[in-house]
Amino acid sequence: LAKTTQPISMDSYEGQEVNITCSHNNIATNDYITWYQQFPSQGPRFIIQGYKTKVTNEVASLFIPADRKSSTLSLPRVSLSDTAVYYCLVASGMDSSYKLIFGSGTRLLVRP
Amino acid sequence: DSGVTQTPKHLITATGQRVTLRCSPRSGDLSVYWYQQSLDQGLQFLIQYYNGEERAKGNILERFSAQQFPDLHSELNLSSLELGDSALYFCASSVVGSGPQETQYFGPGTRLLVL
Repeated sequence: LAKTTQPISMDSYEGQEVNITCSHNNIATNDYITWYQQFPSQGPRFIIQGYKTKVTNEVASLFIPADRKSSTLSLPRVSLSDTAVYYCLVASGMDSSYKLIFGSGTRLLVRP
Repeated sequence: DSGVTQTPKHLITATGQRVTLRCSPRSGDLSVYWYQQSLDQGLQFLIQYYNGEERAKGNILERFSAQQFPDLHSELNLSSLELGDSALYFCASSVVGSGPQETQYFGPGTRLLVL
C-alpha cells in the first residue's frame, strides 16, 4: 500500500514557480496520482492528475519520473491566492479493493 | 462551487450521542465518498458508495456507518461519539467511482465538535 510523504510547508513569493514533491515509494503499477488544493474551511479541489511522465493543464504541471516513486506539482508564477494546502493522493485498486491515500499536505504561503 | 452539498455546516454535540451528516452528490454522479479530516490525522478515507451499494471501505470505525439512498444522497451516521471524533467530515462524489483515475469533487464539509 502506497504511503505518501510531503513537506509540511513551503514559502514563496508572487511570480515565482513553486514545486511541491510527494514521495510514494510503494506505488503500484496501476495507481494514479492526483493533487488537490484546499483553502481554509473549504473542501479539497482537484488540480491535476497523472500516471506517468508529464501532464499539464491551465493551472499546473505534474511531473512523474519513470520509477513513479515520487511526483512533483509545479505551479507557475504563483499569486497570493495560491496560498493554500496542497495534497497528493495515490489511488489504487478498483471496487472493494479501492484504496485512497492522501499525503499529510503541504502548506504553501505566497508572500507579496 | 463543486456541486456537492453537505448539511449541516456545523454540529455541536456531547460525548455518547449520535449524529447524522448528509451529502448530496453532483448531478449525474453515482458514487459518494466520505472522509474525515482532523488536525493530527489529515484526510482519511472512510467509505465509498456506488449507486446505493457499498463499494470500498477505508479507515471507518465500527461506530460509524453510512448509506446511499435511491435518490443518490448519502448519510454518514456517527454514534457513541467521543471527543476524538471532533473533525471536519467531507463528502465527495464522482461519476462512477470504479477506478483510481476518477476525479472526486468535494463538498464544503461538516464541522463536528464533540464536547
